[in-house]
Amino acid sequence: AQTIHQWPVAEIKAVGSPLSLGCTIKGKSSPNLYWYWQATGGTLQQLFYSITVGQVESVVQLNLSASRPKDDQFILSTEKLLLSHSGFYLCAWSLGWGVQNTLYFGAGTRLSVL
Amino acid sequence: AQSVTQPDARVTVSEGASLQLRCKYSYSGTPYLFWYVQYPRQGLQLLLKYYSGDPVVQGVNGFEAEFSKSNSSFHLRKASVHWSDSAVYFCVVNSGGSNAKLTFGKGTKLSVKS
Repeated sequence: AQTIHQWPVAEIKAVGSPLSLGCTIKGKSSPNLYWYWQATGGTLQQLFYSITVGQVESVVQLNLSASRPKDDQFILSTEKLLLSHSGFYLCAWSLGWGVQNTLYFGAGTRLSVL
Repeated sequence: AQSVTQPDARVTVSEGASLQLRCKYSYSGTPYLFWYVQYPRQGLQLLLKYYSGDPVVQGVNGFEAEFSKSNSSFHLRKASVHWSDSAVYFCVVNSGGSNAKLTFGKGTKLSVKS
């Protein structure tokens, strides 16, 4: 069975400090990978998606970057955190395309920037 | 552009009572609709999905949803709720495309009183 693991579970970071969040998917070959973000009190929105290793597309500009160094790994990072980066970050995977594409989500990382 | 409206931010019901969580969507094409649930301190889990066919679709844990094209709605129902159903429920539209850009409602927080 496929599993998706996100790390860390939670982070408290200072403004201006760097950040790295990770996501690993096991049991699926060549999945599509996604990062979603939920600001406090807001709705979820897609940040990045990746179809293959080494290729990442940005959907929303939030002074964040993402990379896919391995087929089963997706990394979200920034060199300088902003207060506005606080929120809940979710990694997701899917197979296939189009409207019937079903996404499966990890447990998320809760980030507080102080 | 597509949008999803969940008019009730919070719903409280007694254990054993029936439940309906409302969802209205706006989408020019034929939508692929989902309900996801987020239990406390967990990621999103897929409850059910609909694309075509019988407008009443069954999901996990006794949940079902009914699609109405004329009303642009996709309401979630359960005949008898349990305290463990307390969670946040998201109605979601998939507009298709290679990036599987999901549009989320703001969520409805369900509290079940025992």
